[in-house]
Order: sequence, then C-alpha cells, then structure tokens
Amino acid sequence: DIQMTQSPSSLSASVGDRVTITCRASQSISSYSNWYQQKPGKAPKLLIYAASSLQSGVPSRFSGSGSGTDFTLTISSLQPEDFATYYCQQSYTAPRTFGQGTKVKIK
Amino acid sequence: QVQLVESGGGLVKPGGSLRLSCAASGFTFSDYYMSWIRQAPGKGLEWVSYISASGNTIYYADSVKGRFTISRDNAKSSLYLQMNTLRAEDTALYYCVRADDYGDYEFYDYWGQGTLVTVSS
Repeated sequence: DIQMTQSPSSLSASVGDRVTITCRASQSISSYSNWYQQKPGKAPKLLIYAASSLQSGVPSRFSGSGSGTDFTLTISSLQPEDFATYYCQQSYTAPRTFGQGTKVKIK
Repeated sequence: QVQLVESGGGLVKPGGSLRLSCAASGFTFSDYYMSWIRQAPGKGLEWVSYISASGNTIYYADSVKGRFTISRDNAKSSLYLQMNTLRAEDTALYYCVRADDYGDYEFYDYWGQGTLVTVSS
C-alpha cells in the first residue's frame, strides 16, 4: 500500500499568514493527489484534485503543487474560516490512502 | 443538488453484523463510482471500499477485506456496505462518498454526513 505522510501534524498560525502543508508518498504517484479540508463535526470538503487543480467554489488563496512523491498545499493568506484539519489522499492505486492529517490552529 | 444520506449505523456487539445504506439524489447515480470512507472518533480518514459505476470493479482496504461487502442498486440510486464479523476497531463514522474524475484523476467531491457504527460489548 502507498503511505501518505503529512507534515507537520499540527501548526499554529495567525490570520493573514502564508501556510504550507506537505505530503510525501511512499512511491511515485505522478499527480494523483488530492487535498481535503475538514472542520469539527463536518464531512471533509474537496479543495484540490490532480495535485494542482482547484475545485469549483474553493477560494483562490488555496493552491496545490507537486508531482511524483512530494506535494504541497498552500494557503496564501490564512482566513478565520480556514482553521481546520487538512488531509492529502492518493488516487494512484487501490487501496486509496490518506495522510494522517494536519491541524491548523489559531496562534 | 447532490445529496448522500447514510443510514443503518448503530451499536453492535463484537462479531455482529450491520448493513449500511446510502440514498443518493441530485445526480445520475449510475454514472459514478462510489466509496465508503470511515473516521474513528478523534482520528483521521480511512478509505474502506470502492465500487465502479456498473458494480463490476470493487476494491477493499486490507483491514476489511473478507468481512465487508460493498454493493449498489442503480435502479434505486443506493449504495450499501454489508459489515460482518465486526471488531472494536471498526467503530467509526462511515461516510458515503461520490467519486468523480478529471481524465484519469479520481477525487471525492460529495460526502454524506455519515452514520456512526459502534462495536462494543
């Protein structure tokens, strides 16, 4: 199975900060990576698919990059509604797998 | 609008069985792959199973293989998960999820609110 390892596991940031979360796959997955946001008590929401494509309706401050084994989710200017947990996921092969999550907290 | 509504969760003893259902609406169900994804209390997301639009292609996580069976009824726009020989570690919120794609790139664009399965004696 392909392991997806996110870093950091949590971070504290202030409104307006630029935030970067990384995800490393245990083998090359080309651009078959997605990013999701989950707020407490809510279902996850798709942010980025195919490594860098922004899902419809998602604010442009979110961006994704990377290919092969290393991927990045960037929030260019953190907003109050962005405090949440973020997950990467690979769709390269079955079983599909998720990273362990990165919790973004208020500083 | 797309809606996915799960049902069938509850409290079950170890070794018991449950059948989860997901009623889909707002889209042509038979055109889409579907998945079950679970989340143990306070933990991360775990992919459980996946079924193609026709039902001909199915995958399972190793942790549930041989115990869980995914199926679908396209005439009823419904997805199912038969869970047998349940263990304490199967305790989780189970999400019904639609899989869409952009070329070869698959992603999960709509999620239900989940149904809670608790395995405890």
